[in-house]
Amino acid sequence: GAGVSQSPSNKVTEKGKDVELRCDPISGHTALYWYRQRLGQGLEFLIYFQGNSAPDKSGLPSDRFSAERTGESVSTLTIQRTQQEDSAVYLCASSLGGLAGVHDNEQFFGPGTRLTVL
Amino acid sequence: LAKTTQPISMDSYEGQEVNITCSHNNIATNDYITWYQQFPSQGPRFIIQGYKTKVTNEVASLFIPADRKSSTLSLPRVSLSDTAVYYCLASYNDYKLSFGAGTTVTVRA
Repeated sequence: GAGVSQSPSNKVTEKGKDVELRCDPISGHTALYWYRQRLGQGLEFLIYFQGNSAPDKSGLPSDRFSAERTGESVSTLTIQRTQQEDSAVYLCASSLGGLAGVHDNEQFFGPGTRLTVL
Repeated sequence: LAKTTQPISMDSYEGQEVNITCSHNNIATNDYITWYQQFPSQGPRFIIQGYKTKVTNEVASLFIPADRKSSTLSLPRVSLSDTAVYYCLASYNDYKLSFGAGTTVTVRA
């Protein structure tokens, strides 16, 4: 079956511009996660959605970052006024019900969006 | 500040066993510990998950002591294709997850 998909796969933008990254989770997965991975580094947890709700947004790096999810399906991560330090791969994952780890749920990751801010 | 820590790198040879230990001192009481594998330019892939004692599947074993402050991923008889970055994952409250920084395992012939 279809896995997690993300678009675009690559995005090059100029400093100061806004970007929108999209994630399509596996159908039926109620939990959705966003991560940031800078070059050569580990995964930085950004936000978790249970259904369309994000109980805790404090993992987002700054107020330039926002995320939403609709229809318990597609999610978008928006970065306003991009900065060079925002350059990274943004990974999305989904799992069946509940926060993966707390509720014994495996996360399925998408291929990521590579964002480059010039 | 709750944090998941693991060694930066480990080297091994084909056919050997590789053991990677992760520290998660403040793990949430009811949380599972999960390990993922990541190859270059790919998203992480689930390897194994456990709550306590020992869990074994077709690719790895996971050892978790009674205090659950650490866990050890064991990869038996590694091959060149096991060269990857391995991440430990735990949570410290209901809404946030903490991945370790990753352990780069290099398997040599």
